Amino acid sequence: DSGVTQTPKHLITATGQRVTLRCSPRSGDLSVYWYQQSLDQGLQFLIQYYNGEERAKGNILERFSAQQFPDLHSELNLSSLELGDSALYFCASSLGGTAGYTFGSGTRLTVV
Amino acid sequence: AQKVTQAQTEISVVEKEDVTLDCVYETRDTTYYLFWYKQPPSGELVFLIRRNSFDEQNEISGRYSWNFQKSTSSFNFTITASQVVDSAVYFCALSDFSNDYKLSFGAGTTVTVRA
Repeated sequence: DSGVTQTPKHLITATGQRVTLRCSPRSGDLSVYWYQQSLDQGLQFLIQYYNGEERAKGNILERFSAQQFPDLHSELNLSSLELGDSALYFCASSLGGTAGYTFGSGTRLTVV
Repeated sequence: AQKVTQAQTEISVVEKEDVTLDCVYETRDTTYYLFWYKQPPSGELVFLIRRNSFDEQNEISGRYSWNFQKSTSSFNFTITASQVVDSAVYFCALSDFSNDYKLSFGAGTTVTVRA
């Protein structure tokens, strides 16, 4: 157990639907990062939150949004889902950018 | 711009052979961190090593070893006496100041170890 908890582990949904992925960071870590791993794009950075505030944005689609709550857990919301959104979504947490990263086990999203 | 290049897409070896995975990175910063992660077929990302830019000492951990050469911007990873359980995708990653220390991953190298 890495200390970073992601739920659910698997999700199958239809095109056009909306889903929410949840991440609980390792105790004491203030930063949460979301990554998408698809077959054609590899591991892509989506967004970072630090202590509740958005810190950086990467290749995140407008249909996607995220937030970090006061208890530091984070949610990634994916809406108007398309087949191409099928991927493994990872959350990572860190105390700070130079302190290393701990990854959760990922959420495998399948859009049918 | 590609910051981390893993030129080898796939490597296949027979058990007990050594395998070296290449990683070349690009950064203009003097302070940066390099990582290797392993992704077994089960899908999770397993941390293997983190190295900062000021520490060029090579490191050995069991059958794993890493060669960091700033002169060539490379951080190569060797598995000695490979085993079937080493079959996985291996990712090299860079975290640098210019990128606010976010992780930039290479495309990964798939290692298949045959019995």
